[in-house]
Amino acid sequence: ETGVTQTPRHLVMGMTNKKSLKCEQHLGHNAMYWYKQSAKKPLELMFVYSLEERVENNSVPSRFSPECPNSSHLFLHLHTLQPEDSALYLCASSQDYGGNTEAFFGQGTRLTVV
Amino acid sequence: AQSVSQHNHHVILSEAASLELGCNYSYGGTVNLFWYVQYPGQHLQLLLKYFSGDPLVKGIKGFEAEFIKSKFSFNLRKPSVQWSDTAEYFCAVSPFYNQGGKLIFGQGTELSVKP
Repeated sequence: ETGVTQTPRHLVMGMTNKKSLKCEQHLGHNAMYWYKQSAKKPLELMFVYSLEERVENNSVPSRFSPECPNSSHLFLHLHTLQPEDSALYLCASSQDYGGNTEAFFGQGTRLTVV
Repeated sequence: AQSVSQHNHHVILSEAASLELGCNYSYGGTVNLFWYVQYPGQHLQLLLKYFSGDPLVKGIKGFEAEFIKSKFSFNLRKPSVQWSDTAEYFCAVSPFYNQGGKLIFGQGTELSVKP
């Protein structure tokens, strides 16, 4: 148990579907992140939220839409995805978005787009 | 652009062998440095971190890493590996100022330890 919980653990969706990934952190952290882990590639930072405001969007296509309704929850809304979007999506949180801080990761959602 | 390079993609060792995994980064400013481990089917876990001070950092499970600023390196070491160390290891760098939680990862090194 890491203090960062992601649901669902596995998701299979068609290219025309709309689905959402959920992340919840129980650590009292102020910053939350979405990372994408594809096979044979480094983890890629997608979005960063600090104090519920988006502070970074790393050129992510608009078919990925994040939402941070409060400091404990982070969503990633998915629509009209492509097969190449199949990957492990990791949520992380850290105490702050600055200074000496470390990230705690959830177990990820394994997404398959068919 | 900032980047992290892990030189070994797959390392195979026998139990009790010594381990060293290389990590180099490109960033000119102050950085925080991390090694994360991902055991099969589990989440990414922090192995050790360097923020400042002694460049030789000790982590969990007997791992250590040395920060050599002049070489932009942060190599991971363990004197004697065990079968349970089989996992994927990720080096990560975080620029310090205003972006402490943002991590730039290397590609990862898969370690297989044979009993």
